[in-house]
Amino acid sequence: EAQVTQNPRYLITVTGKKLTVTCSQNMNHEYMSWYRQDPGLGLRQIYYSMNVEVTDKGDVPEGYKVSRKEKRNFPLILESPSPNQTSLYFCASSLDATYEQYFGPGTRLTVT
Amino acid sequence: KQEVTQIPAALSVPEGENLVLNCSFTDSAIYNLQWFRQDPGKGLTSLLLIQSSQREQTSGRLNASLDKSSGRSTLYIAASQPGDSATYLCAALLTSGSARQLTFGSGTQLTVLP
Repeated sequence: EAQVTQNPRYLITVTGKKLTVTCSQNMNHEYMSWYRQDPGLGLRQIYYSMNVEVTDKGDVPEGYKVSRKEKRNFPLILESPSPNQTSLYFCASSLDATYEQYFGPGTRLTVT
Repeated sequence: KQEVTQIPAALSVPEGENLVLNCSFTDSAIYNLQWFRQDPGKGLTSLLLIQSSQREQTSGRLNASLDKSSGRSTLYIAASQPGDSATYLCAALLTSGSARQLTFGSGTQLTVLP
């Protein structure tokens, strides 16, 4: 089944404790991206990747890092999480940025 | 910077009614526009994608139109059903060189009453 998976689905952590949210797709897509969704602000793009080893900033990259060492995986790294990074995070992939986007189920992160 | 607006934020209609959801964007140089559906606690599901060169796309009871010159897109849902209840989001894609920027609206929360 074609899908985008994210892990973990739920995470509660404390300020400053490094964490990684994984994202994996099985569709051989070149384009992958991360979004955060906040009430009243909608979805905002954090980072995107056009292909392996090619990443670029979205609208809200501060406090986040990404890497794209393999085509299928695009982890999101929070080196020192802060409470303002409490949010619902989505990973998405597509053949190319101009094609239909496939979204993962989301990761709800709470930073206390 | 692209801004995408969806009005109204919430809409409640009786079952069977035809309805229109609105999406407007400030930068008309979009590459394409997508409509998504989001159910509570779940990810987004792509409904329709309209390329900038197209005027509309149809899928079943859904029809999306695009007017780049006026910066507007609409999603028409025919004969609404309670199962259509969800949040509907539009997203506009801008490309500039190698950059790809997808900007979302805040969504319209639709409730279809039985």
